[in-house]
Order: sequence, then C-alpha cells, then structure tokens
Amino acid sequence: SAVISQKPSRDICQRGTSLTIQCQVDSQVTMMFWYRQQPGQSLTLIATANQGSEATYESGFVIDKFPISRPNLTFSTLTVSNMSPEDSSIYLCSVVLAGGVETQYFGPGTRLLVL
Amino acid sequence: RKEVEQDPGPFNVPEGATVAFNCTYSNSASQSFFWYRQDCRKEPKLLMSVYSSGNEDGRFTAQLNRASQYISLLIRDSKLSDSATYLCVVARSWGKFQFGAGTQVVVTP
Repeated sequence: SAVISQKPSRDICQRGTSLTIQCQVDSQVTMMFWYRQQPGQSLTLIATANQGSEATYESGFVIDKFPISRPNLTFSTLTVSNMSPEDSSIYLCSVVLAGGVETQYFGPGTRLLVL
Repeated sequence: RKEVEQDPGPFNVPEGATVAFNCTYSNSASQSFFWYRQDCRKEPKLLMSVYSSGNEDGRFTAQLNRASQYISLLIRDSKLSDSATYLCVVARSWGKFQFGAGTQVVVTP
C-alpha cells in the first residue's frame, strides 16, 4: 500500500478566496487523482494529475476553477479557486499502485467549508 | 443510468447475523472490481478486490457475475465495527474508476 498525507486536513474559507490542498505520497506513483465527495454523496473524479504535463479534467471541471500541479511523482496540489459555498466538500487525493490488479488508495481528505 | 448502482440502504443487521448486498454496473467492458469501506468522515479504504472466481477474506465474501453485470459482498457473523458505508468500485481501464454511491450497513447489538 501507499502512505498518503494531505494538508490542510480541514479549513473554513470565505467565498471568493482560494485554497491550495497538498498531497504527498511516500513512494513514486504514476497515477494520481483528485476527487470530491459532497455531503451524503459518493466520490466524483475531478481530474487526473499528470506528472510534467497538464492535468486531465473530467466533464464539469475546468482548469481555471481547479488548477492542479504535479511537479514530481510523489507530490501534487489542487487549488479550489474563487470559492463559493457550493465548493464545500471533502477533497481527496488518491494514487493507483500497479502490479497485478491496480488498486487505488486514498489520502485522509481535506474538509472544506466555504461561508 | 448511472454506471455503477448500489442500494443505499441502510441495512440494519443484528450483531452476529449475515448481510449481503449487490452492486450493478452498466459497462460490460469493465475489467476490475473492488469493494471499499468508508467510515463516517473518513477516506475510503480498500476492503477487497473482486476476482472472477469469487474470493473470501475472513468473514467477507465477494462474488462477480459478469453475465448479469453485478458484484456482491457478503458479511458473515457481523460485528458492530462492520457498521460503515460500502462502496462498489468498477474500473473500465487502467486508472478509470467509477464509484457507486455506497450501501450503508448498520450493525446493532
């Protein structure tokens, strides 16, 4: 498995501001993802964080709103820009470890409340 | 239609009883299947992968039915600590995972 940490673990922000969430993995991984989980809902993939190139965004998510960096194989950031209360959610990074059946592991999540 | 569908529950289960629930998927090209467990306000954690022949891990048994496009999870001798939301995850290709909305299980004393 992989050990994944996220910072901050939680935050309360004012609308119109931006928050950058960091994700650190204890080993080099090829595939890294950012998900959102809104209250009472399942996980929704925001984007795939690609090392050395632009992230690949899912339908409904755009780079201007959720810029992502992936400077190396162990680290990524997700920024939630110009926040509104609708952005209140848990944001999770995950990695996929290959070998046999590729398995996905999640960070502890960042709980964001936008006022 | 959602790509992965689950009965949201809750399934209220007396301690020591058996509970089973399914997850259906719509994409016949799906290749890998998983059950994750998510406790309240925590991240999902891998419970088990689901193999074509079915597999067992202690009190947990997972089955895959490709013809009918569903997977199942059975929990025997339920413990209070089994109370959680169980997420069905289906992968179409490498790195492309689809999550179900989860099935809530509540084990009661």
